[in-house]
Amino acid sequence: AQSVTQLGSHVSVSEGALVLLRCNYSSSVPPYLFWYVQYPNQGLQLLLKYTTGATLVKGINGFEAEFKKSETSFHLTKPSAHMSDAAEYFCAVSSLYSGAGSYQLTFGKGTKLSVIP
Amino acid sequence: DSGVTQTPKHLITATGQRVTLRCSPRSGDLSVYWYQQSLDQGLQFLIQYYNGEERAKGNILERFSAQQFPDLHSELNLSSLELGDSALYFCASSGGLAGGGEQYFGPGTRLTVT
Repeated sequence: AQSVTQLGSHVSVSEGALVLLRCNYSSSVPPYLFWYVQYPNQGLQLLLKYTTGATLVKGINGFEAEFKKSETSFHLTKPSAHMSDAAEYFCAVSSLYSGAGSYQLTFGKGTKLSVIP
Repeated sequence: DSGVTQTPKHLITATGQRVTLRCSPRSGDLSVYWYQQSLDQGLQFLIQYYNGEERAKGNILERFSAQQFPDLHSELNLSSLELGDSALYFCASSGGLAGGGEQYFGPGTRLTVT
């Protein structure tokens, strides 16, 4: 079974500082990887995804993530944090559901990002 | 706005009761997924339907069931409710079955069981 580990349930950074949210996954096959963001009282919104090709993926709002197969990691970064980045971030891996030809998302437990002015 | 709608936004009910949550996917999307989000379990996949047929099952309790109708909207039925069923229930939709396809999430239904 696939699994996703997000290191740190809560991360605080100062406005303008680097944001680094860590994600490690377990997968026996090349994975599809996603980062979603959840603002308070809202649903999840896709930030970026890795399917194939370039291992550095750029997303919305200045975020990017690098797929490192050797480290089974997909960490999310943003060079300069903004107050509006305060939210909860979820890493997810897409895995094939046995025999059905369809995929399901397995999510990490989430990392709540606080931005200090 | 993801284009996925869910009703109701909030639901308060008592233990032992039954409720139905409704989801309308984005226009043209054939796949619907249901997720449960709680503080202790995190975000858990419950079940997926594709064009009216059940395609994948996750951590869905036997007391819970779902269906997808010909117009592609979906309903999640929760019965014999327990306090532990209190959670945020999300519906998501996608165009097909591809593993790299994005799932678009609705705003969720917050269920409180008292």
